[in-house]
Amino acid sequence: SQTIHQWPATLVQPVGSPLSLECTVEGTSNPNLYWYRQAAGRGLQLLFYSVGIGQISSEVPQNLSASRPQDRQFILSSKKLLLSDSGFYLCAWGPRDRVLRGEQYFGPGTRLTVT
Amino acid sequence: AQTVTQSQPEMSVQEAETVTLSCTYDTSESNYYLFWYKQPPSRQMILVIRQEAYKQQNATENRFSVNFQKAAKSFSLKISDSQLGDTAMYFCALQSARQLTFGSGTQLTVLP
Repeated sequence: SQTIHQWPATLVQPVGSPLSLECTVEGTSNPNLYWYRQAAGRGLQLLFYSVGIGQISSEVPQNLSASRPQDRQFILSSKKLLLSDSGFYLCAWGPRDRVLRGEQYFGPGTRLTVT
Repeated sequence: AQTVTQSQPEMSVQEAETVTLSCTYDTSESNYYLFWYKQPPSRQMILVIRQEAYKQQNATENRFSVNFQKAAKSFSLKISDSQLGDTAMYFCALQSARQLTFGSGTQLTVLP
C-alpha cells in the first residue's frame, strides 16, 4: 500500500529565516506530487505540482519554491519566510493512471508558524 | 477558472441521524471529477467519495452518498446514520485537467 510522509509536523520559524519542508511517498512509482497551503479556517490553495523529477509548475507566485530531486520526494522551500507564510502545508500524491486522475492522497501536514 | 462554493460554514446533526452538505461548482470543462474530502481534527485530508461527471449514477460509499445534479452544477453529500467520528471539516473539490479546486469547507459536528 502507498503511504505519504511529511516532516516536520510542526515548525516555528522567525521572519526572514529559510524553510525546508519534505514530503516522501512510498509504495508507488511516478506519482504526481502536490504542495497545498491551508490558511486558518480556509480551503486548500494549490502551490506547486510536479509530474516528474525536476518538473515543477507553480500556481501562485510567491517567495516559496519547490523541488523534486527524486521520483518520490518533493521539497518546499523558502529563502526568507514572511509572516503571511504561516499556515498548514499539505503534500499530496496522485496516481498517473488516467482512470484515476483526480484522486489525491494527502500527507499528515506541517503546521508552520512564522513569528 | 473553476470555482467551488460551500454555503454552509457549520452544521450539526444528532448521532444516528442523516445530514446533507451542499456544494455547487462552476467549470467550463466537459470532463471533470468531483470529490468530498474529510479533514478531522488530526488535520489529515481523507478522500470520502468521488463522482465522475460523465456518470449519471450517484456514487455511494457505505453511509456516504452524493446527489449529483450536473445541469444544476450541484454536488451534495449525504451522511446517513451519523457517527461521532464523522465530526470533521468537509471539503467539496472539483478536478478538471490538472487542477483540483477546493471549496471553503463545512464544519460538521455530530452531537451525542
